[in-house]
Formats: sequence, structure tokens, C-alpha cells
Amino acid sequence: NAGVTQTPKFQVLKTGQSMTLQCAQDMNHEYMSWYRQDPGMGLRLIHYSVGAGITDQGEVPNGYNVSRSTTEDFPLRLLSAAPSQTSVYFCASSAGTGKESPLHFGNGTRLTVT
Amino acid sequence: AQSVTQLDSQVPVFEEAPVELRCNYSSSVSVYLFWYVQYPNQGLQLLLKYLSGSTLVKGINGFEAEFNKSQTSFHLRKPSVHISDTAEYFCAVSILTGGGNKLTFGTGTQLKVEL
Repeated sequence: NAGVTQTPKFQVLKTGQSMTLQCAQDMNHEYMSWYRQDPGMGLRLIHYSVGAGITDQGEVPNGYNVSRSTTEDFPLRLLSAAPSQTSVYFCASSAGTGKESPLHFGNGTRLTVT
Repeated sequence: AQSVTQLDSQVPVFEEAPVELRCNYSSSVSVYLFWYVQYPNQGLQLLLKYLSGSTLVKGINGFEAEFNKSQTSFHLRKPSVHISDTAEYFCAVSILTGGGNKLTFGTGTQLKVEL
């Protein structure tokens, strides 16, 4: 059981470039989300989805887009990378959308924007 | 809006000593509370959660936490730590209103267990 799989593990971009961080889960979870982790700031929610075809903004959505065409996949797109987007990005999923459901995290994508 | 405060950014402790990692939250509505652990170069894993009922909850790896509503705290404890407990620990809160399973995380506490 792979759980939540994120690719790539590492990425270096130049300012202005675009890219997509991939996230896939094989647990048939309804809820998926993207967080960014920065030193001293914990994890902050970027976007989330409560099911295929439904997405919504989190705490820090600017500069990022998401889509949810299937239950399994939830890609995060950086439209025009900026140095402020240098961070570690985590995808997470949970069974159902209930607030009691624990999140299952991927191993992260470490992004550097120069 | 809810918030989570982890008062200690780093906690050094000797192996086999007890440890307490502190977490306080603020929210005007009822919450669910969680502790997650992050080992180096990995994602977060659930340690334990408080939803309702007994205020003392037990998690994996010998950790436990106590929910104190009057003090709005959810401190994490372990009576005897091991080297393998070295990791970063995050407290998180989920409010019971609004849509989606949105967790608000604290800034994390780095637990360093030394010989």
C-alpha cells in the first residue's frame, strides 16, 4: 500500500518558471490538501479538495493553482515561481471530510526557487 | 480564527528521562486536537488525537496527551524517551465548523534525545 506519493522529491526552479507538483493517493480518500512547511512557521494550508471536481483555497493560496479531476490525483501548479515559494510542500489526504479524520502525509517535495 | 501555540521550539532531553511538549490553542468553538510527529526527511505521522470523551488520550510509541479545556492546553508527554523519539512534533487543531478537514498547525517542537 503506497499511501500518498509525491513527485518529484527535489526541484530547483528559476524565478518565473512554472511547474506542477504531483500528488497521488491509493486509499480512495475523498479529502486531499496541500501544505507548505517553512522554518518557524509550521505547516500552512495552500489548497484543499473535498472530492473530485471540488477545490477551495486555504490560508496561503496566492501563486498556486490546483485541480481535482480524479479521486486519486491532486496536482499543485506554480504559475510563475518566486523565491518566496522556496519551501517544502506536503500533500495530505484523509478518508471522508470529517474533521476527526487524521491526515495521511506524503514525504514532501523540497522546492528551491533561485 | 483558531490558533495553536507551541511554546518551545527545541527541547533537549537525556535518554530515559521524561518529557513534556507544550501546546496551547485558542478557538471560540469546539475543536478536535491532534499531535503529529515528523522524522527527518519524512512526512508527518499521527501520534494521537482527542475528539471527545476521556481527556487523557494514549497514542503510539508510548506517548500520551491530556486535554485541559479550562487551560486550553493539550500537552504531550512520555515517561521515558528513547533516542528514536528524536523528531519534530506538531500540535494541530481542527475546528468543528466550516467546510473541509482543515487543520491549523503549531510551529513545531524539535525533540532531541541525547545519550
